[in-house]
Amino acid sequence: QKEVEQNSGPLSVPEGAIASLNCTYSDRGSQSFFWYRQYSGKSPELIMSIYSNGDKEDGRFTAQLNKASQYVSLLIRDSQPSDSATYLCAVSYSGAGSYQLTFGKGTKLSVIP
Amino acid sequence: NAGVTQTPKFQVLKTGQSMTLQCAQDMNHNSMYWYRQDPGMGLRLIYYSASEGTTDKGEVPNGYNVSRLNKREFSLRLESAAPSQTSVYFCASSSAGNQPQHFGDGTRLSIL
Repeated sequence: QKEVEQNSGPLSVPEGAIASLNCTYSDRGSQSFFWYRQYSGKSPELIMSIYSNGDKEDGRFTAQLNKASQYVSLLIRDSQPSDSATYLCAVSYSGAGSYQLTFGKGTKLSVIP
Repeated sequence: NAGVTQTPKFQVLKTGQSMTLQCAQDMNHNSMYWYRQDPGMGLRLIYYSASEGTTDKGEVPNGYNVSRLNKREFSLRLESAAPSQTSVYFCASSSAGNQPQHFGDGTRLSIL
């Protein structure tokens, strides 16, 4: 059973602060890692992909990957109320000759004005 | 760019009725997926199609069937709907299985 664990939250941060979202995964062979944002009543939207150890920055978002610790995180700098959403971590794994993604249950983020 | 299009957006069924959820993508993606999302359960994979002509079971396939009609279209069928299948259903596609998936807007299905 491939598992992806996230703290369900809610995580509350004040506007302008850094929000830190964490994710651990069980499959050491996983090679691809993704962060999705899902607003209430909407579909998941891809915000970051990361494939190698280290940091990857895109605007206010930074994804961090540590394969040795089986840990991936998402930092949101200068958090805005519009960042309030549920953030899903997704990890690829190989099974039955093809790849699929396993999703965590998500962390709900609230940015307080 | 339409991306991934799902129809219908909302549906109410009675127990025992059947219906087919439609999904089409215009990104020339090889792989397509059907998920259900329930409160507290996250996204669970029902069926997937790694490439045209192939389909495989995911985590929760019981009560569902799928058809990969062509490279663009992947449908999900409920043969005899049950209240436990009340959920939000998402279709997604990707260029390959280890690449990011792009989601449709979802179908909100209620079974009475």
